[in-house]
Amino acid sequence: DADVTQTPRNRITKTGKRIMLECSQTKGHDRMYWYRQDPGLGLRLIYYSFDVKDINKGEISDGYSVSRQAQAKFSLSLESAIPNQTALYFCATSDSGQGNSPLHFGNGTRLTVT
Amino acid sequence: AQSVAQPEDQVNVAEGNPLTVKCTYSVSGNPYLFWYVQYPNRGLQFLLKYITGDNLVKGSYGFEAEFNKSQTSFHLKKPSALVSDSALYFCAVRDQTGANNLFFGTGTRLTVIP
Repeated sequence: DADVTQTPRNRITKTGKRIMLECSQTKGHDRMYWYRQDPGLGLRLIYYSFDVKDINKGEISDGYSVSRQAQAKFSLSLESAIPNQTALYFCATSDSGQGNSPLHFGNGTRLTVT
Repeated sequence: AQSVAQPEDQVNVAEGNPLTVKCTYSVSGNPYLFWYVQYPNRGLQFLLKYITGDNLVKGSYGFEAEFNKSQTSFHLKKPSALVSDSALYFCAVRDQTGANNLFFGTGTRLTVIP
């Protein structure tokens, strides 16, 4: 979905390095999410934000942090990367609603930690 | 606790034949149910959702899904498969209280054989 842009598309980094993944959206949605995808595990929620002043942990937040710089921007940081954080990372957005609004995903960032 | 099961990692079907991708769920109370599709090197795309009402839900690209409350299932179907339907399909659920986030299954890879 071109309305949700993730940068970079691919990143290779070394163990112990700090890395930031960025997400921006033009959909005007309040809610933003970070997921990671691993083969055989589906998507797991890392962090989510319902507005600029709201940050919440997901099911696998350890080792990650986020920043909601504006309604349109939501970045994910790995403070000290480790190999088991090698995965495909997705940013997603949704509008506020009754919980039945679908998510809109970016094209993902493939992160490799060596 | 919420959970989603996609019992088949892989489904193969001949082009022109009907296809079914299975999904069962567990949630407290009434569910919101979703199907997403992922093509190579892309993010997930929303296909359809069930909120309430008619148990047969129609979505994008000719897909439909049938909600069965007694069997806690939400199987994805299409009457006639196309080679271009080959992709990874994810079922997702959340409860209608809004207390929990969307929970994804592990995905089913559909291959349509020409």
